[in-house]
Amino acid sequence: NAGVTQTPKFQVLKTGQSMTLQCAQDMNHNSMYWYRQDPGMGLRLIYYSASEGTTDKGEVPNGYNVSRLNKREFSLRLESAAPSQTSVYFCASSGLWGNLANQPQHFGDGTRLSIL
Amino acid sequence: QKEVEQNSGPLSVPEGAIASLNCTYSDRGSQSFFWYRQYSGKSPELIMSIYSNGDKEDGRFTAQLNKASQYVSLLIRDSQPSDSATYLCAVYNFNKFYFGSGTKLNVKP
Repeated sequence: NAGVTQTPKFQVLKTGQSMTLQCAQDMNHNSMYWYRQDPGMGLRLIYYSASEGTTDKGEVPNGYNVSRLNKREFSLRLESAAPSQTSVYFCASSGLWGNLANQPQHFGDGTRLSIL
Repeated sequence: QKEVEQNSGPLSVPEGAIASLNCTYSDRGSQSFFWYRQYSGKSPELIMSIYSNGDKEDGRFTAQLNKASQYVSLLIRDSQPSDSATYLCAVYNFNKFYFGSGTKLNVKP
């Protein structure tokens, strides 16, 4: 029972390089999310996908793009990495119970990204 | 004003005591409420979910929700050093989860 799997776990990039963070869930969840977490800042939403085929911006989308490849997979792309994007990135997924409540999010182990 | 507010702490309690963590939220339409625990260098893990007013107990943990006052709390009874972590309050509203910045709890042996 893998839950939410993120790859890679660690990455060091040079300014201007591009990369894609991968996320896959095996819980048949409709919704998937990408967050970044910086010291003292809590979790900040970058993008989310409420269902397969849809994506929406969160609180801090600039410099990122996403793709909801299918129901299981949701990737995050940095087109031209900047030092300000050094952070820990978490992918999460959640299901839905009717219209009034939501199942809690399940998180991946995170990707620790450093941009020099 | 942030969607979800938490006292950043640190909150220090002695082993065996009750730790009380609080959270307020701004949107009255919020539907679901969660507490996560995050150890340093790890991902958040779910502690409690609560969806209706009142108390919900699970082992040493009790979540309390008061929608009229727009606050959620988490009580940890018989606190253990292993409970030392950052506790994140999360609120769900219309496709998004809003997180507080977390309260750091230190349980001293």
